[in-house]
Amino acid sequence: IAGITQAPTSQILAAGRRMTLRCTQDMRHNAMYWYRQDLGLGLRLIHYSNTAGTTGKGEVPDGYSVSRANTDDFPLTLASAVPSQTSVYFCASSDSGGYNEQFFGPGTRLTVL
Amino acid sequence: GQNIDQPTEMTATEGAIVQINCTYQTSGFNGLFWYQQHAGEAPTFLSYNVLDGLEEKGRFSSFLSRSKGYSYLLLKELQMKDSASYLCAVKAGDYKLSFGAGTTVTVRA
Repeated sequence: IAGITQAPTSQILAAGRRMTLRCTQDMRHNAMYWYRQDLGLGLRLIHYSNTAGTTGKGEVPDGYSVSRANTDDFPLTLASAVPSQTSVYFCASSDSGGYNEQFFGPGTRLTVL
Repeated sequence: GQNIDQPTEMTATEGAIVQINCTYQTSGFNGLFWYQQHAGEAPTFLSYNVLDGLEEKGRFSSFLSRSKGYSYLLLKELQMKDSASYLCAVKAGDYKLSFGAGTTVTVRA
């Protein structure tokens, strides 16, 4: 693995179903983030984690949950998907020093019907 | 929270120069980033400004004025591959970024 990987690449999901989007990084970055990107709205932060074992709410957290059991993994769970959660989801990570430049995964395109 | 504004779209000719402006209102300003995002791909880092002034990196330059809450990204000698969205993002406080909606730049031959 090099950088950040996300799975699945895309998914079509029935409303009401539970779904977990996976994110793994191998850069040993302390901080990780989940964003959703919708046309005309840009990237909006859902949840973040500054270090393993801690998480925080971003701008649009409702309907989503996260966990950070270790440094590398940061899964995002939709407990009961709704059509308004149709979006492209990006995971990102950053180091605690320097710029805190965020590196992004390739994204997951999720459609909720 | 942050209020970040940038134009929705810009069009320019190959070889020309384009300037993308970004204005922001925030408390606890701690740096401004520019990212490039090609259609269907992830954003990639272009530049970072935390102090006033111009940062130059090849064909791309970024400027910051903290007192005016203003930044711009300058793309010189435009190439077709520069057609993409350009995202302005502000860091306030810890690691979190707030993004503008992005500016789609189309480069025409």
